[in-house]
Amino acid sequence: GENVEQHPSTLSVQEGDSAVIKCTYSDSASNYFPWYKQELGKRPQLIIDIRSNVGEKKDQRIAVTLNKTAKHFSLHITETQPEDSAVYFCAASNSGNTPLVFGKGTRLSVIA
Amino acid sequence: DAGVIQSPRHEVTEMGQEVTLRCKPISGHNSLFWYRQTMMRGLELLIYFNNNVPIDDSGMPEDRFSAKMPNASFSTLKIQPSEPRDSAVYFCASMSSGNTIYFGEGSWLTVV
Repeated sequence: GENVEQHPSTLSVQEGDSAVIKCTYSDSASNYFPWYKQELGKRPQLIIDIRSNVGEKKDQRIAVTLNKTAKHFSLHITETQPEDSAVYFCAASNSGNTPLVFGKGTRLSVIA
Repeated sequence: DAGVIQSPRHEVTEMGQEVTLRCKPISGHNSLFWYRQTMMRGLELLIYFNNNVPIDDSGMPEDRFSAKMPNASFSTLKIQPSEPRDSAVYFCASMSSGNTIYFGEGSWLTVV
């Protein structure tokens, strides 16, 4: 089955700097790669996703890149703000009604 | 839409007691997932249903755990008997076609 590895497990950045979180997956059939943000005591919430027919997607300060050949994808947050502090999870699945397999999460701290 | 609704939000119970967690998926979603989240193991898929039918329960830890989905708008996850190591946050999530999963607020379980 699918296995998703996520790095780093913790990340501290200064406010205004960029943050990058990387994930690798094992199943070449996977074609859907979402990212979730989980604030303390809250549910994971989708912030951005990418499908295998595109290599990059951007939404304001957040971007995701996908390299299907290397089976890795990354989340990029620019101009970080304190409210970006949270745990971020990557995930992967193939099409259809199959469940997401999550990475172990990255705890991002943005220092003011 | 009210989103995925879970109950109870918090439960503290004694070891050996039965625990029942409840979930109402988003109307129209035909897939339902139960995840467990702990610090050590992250987000683990326990079981998922497509069109009310259990598809994969390989993530259920042991026979003490059972899940049902009697209709499209209701699912339960039962632990009997409960043990301290079952203490975790249990998330229910639902999905329509397209892979975007929406999580409920979670049920925070403490077994003492």
